[in-house]
Amino acid sequence: NAGVTQTPKFQVLKTGQSMTLQCAQDMNHNSMYWYRQDPGMGLRLIYYSASEGTTDKGEVPNGYNVSRLNKREFSLRLESAAPSQTSVYFCASSEAGRENYGYTFGSGTRLTVV
Amino acid sequence: GEDVEQSLFLSVREGDSSVINCTYTDSSSTYLYWYKQEPGAGLQLLTYIFSNMDMKQDQRLTVLLNKKDKHLSLRIADTQTGDSAIYFCAESFNQAGTALIFGKGTTLSVSS
Repeated sequence: NAGVTQTPKFQVLKTGQSMTLQCAQDMNHNSMYWYRQDPGMGLRLIYYSASEGTTDKGEVPNGYNVSRLNKREFSLRLESAAPSQTSVYFCASSEAGRENYGYTFGSGTRLTVV
Repeated sequence: GEDVEQSLFLSVREGDSSVINCTYTDSSSTYLYWYKQEPGAGLQLLTYIFSNMDMKQDQRLTVLLNKKDKHLSLRIADTQTGDSAIYFCAESFNQAGTALIFGKGTTLSVSS
């Protein structure tokens, strides 16, 4: 089925370890996003990419880096994981000029940093 | 900066109407959105309203927009147990309107 695919679905890291969360969409969308969801905090925007080759900071970019590898893929990297980065991470995509269609979200990556 | 505020919980009985409220700060948002999240899943677009509209109706859903007060509401008529979920209000974060900022979400609990 067409949509946004995130891998892995679950991950446990030790403090200081690094990892990359992968996201791919097959809807030919221009824009892609990374959010984190924490209890009582809602979704907070980490980084976004309005189009291939561009990335911009969101509300909470510290401790993260992103790469828009091509139009389909947008990865999120934690260079040195911290317990405060324990969260559920969602990737989403949208089509520029069709904001009324909203976002398509992936099913999330549940990350625990111990 | 931009901010979106919602009440955190709402409890209703099956068959009643539910009203979820939201206030936002960025008056330049072209669209305002309501998303629904069921347990263990990502968010799904429920409905949206264009900023030059006051009201939008879509089956059991009614969205009201008061631009002067920067207030958005979602009314669900004849609420069902399947409507139990977290509902998020969202507005544009960037000038292009492509990135969204979400409220903290309102947990709707429907009892039978």
